[in-house]
Amino acid sequence: SQQGEEDPQALSIQEGENATMNCSYKTSINNLQWYRQNSGRGLVHLILIRSNEREKHSGRLRVTLDTSKKSSSLLITASRAADTASYFCATAHMDSNYQLIWGAGTKLIIKP
Amino acid sequence: NAGVMQNPRHLVRRRGQEARLRCSPMKGHSHVYWYRQLPEEGLKFMVYLQKENIIDESGMPKERFSAEFPKEGPSILRIQQVVRGDSAAYFCASSPGLQNTEAFFGQGTRLTVV
Repeated sequence: SQQGEEDPQALSIQEGENATMNCSYKTSINNLQWYRQNSGRGLVHLILIRSNEREKHSGRLRVTLDTSKKSSSLLITASRAADTASYFCATAHMDSNYQLIWGAGTKLIIKP
Repeated sequence: NAGVMQNPRHLVRRRGQEARLRCSPMKGHSHVYWYRQLPEEGLKFMVYLQKENIIDESGMPKERFSAEFPKEGPSILRIQQVVRGDSAAYFCASSPGLQNTEAFFGQGTRLTVV
């Protein structure tokens, strides 16, 4: 079955540095969404980018989408300790907009 | 406007017992999704429901698992005769069901089968 894949699986950086996470998928999408999950808690929606958009910003977050490569990246600038969490991408597909397909996530650790 | 409410937050069941997980969607949302998350893994889709209808249950095991979303009251995910492998976090999400909208998640129910 189709599934998004994030890389890296884990990322550890110093506070203040930028963090980049990538997501790849296999079939045409309607939109791609990034979520954050703090340890043991529910998911929080970060950004939704439509298939006809190439870049989107929200605060310190920047998401890009390359539909020709079927990939997306999430950039967190000037990272903070509070950014420590798992980050998931989810894709909504042309034939089933309501169903999000999830990757396994990237575990991000920000060292103070 | 309260968010998606799931209860209980933690549930411990012995093998063979039944587990009932509840999810109250956000106000105005008529679409509910259930996901299961195993440790260190991403979310796996289980079932998608609208009020009184199961739209897609392709991710839900055929046996022992059932879900409902009645006209009144929360959505229920029911697991009969639980086994150790059912231990996981179960997340519910709701949405208004429109294209290009986000899903709002509850805090999850952590089921432990002993």
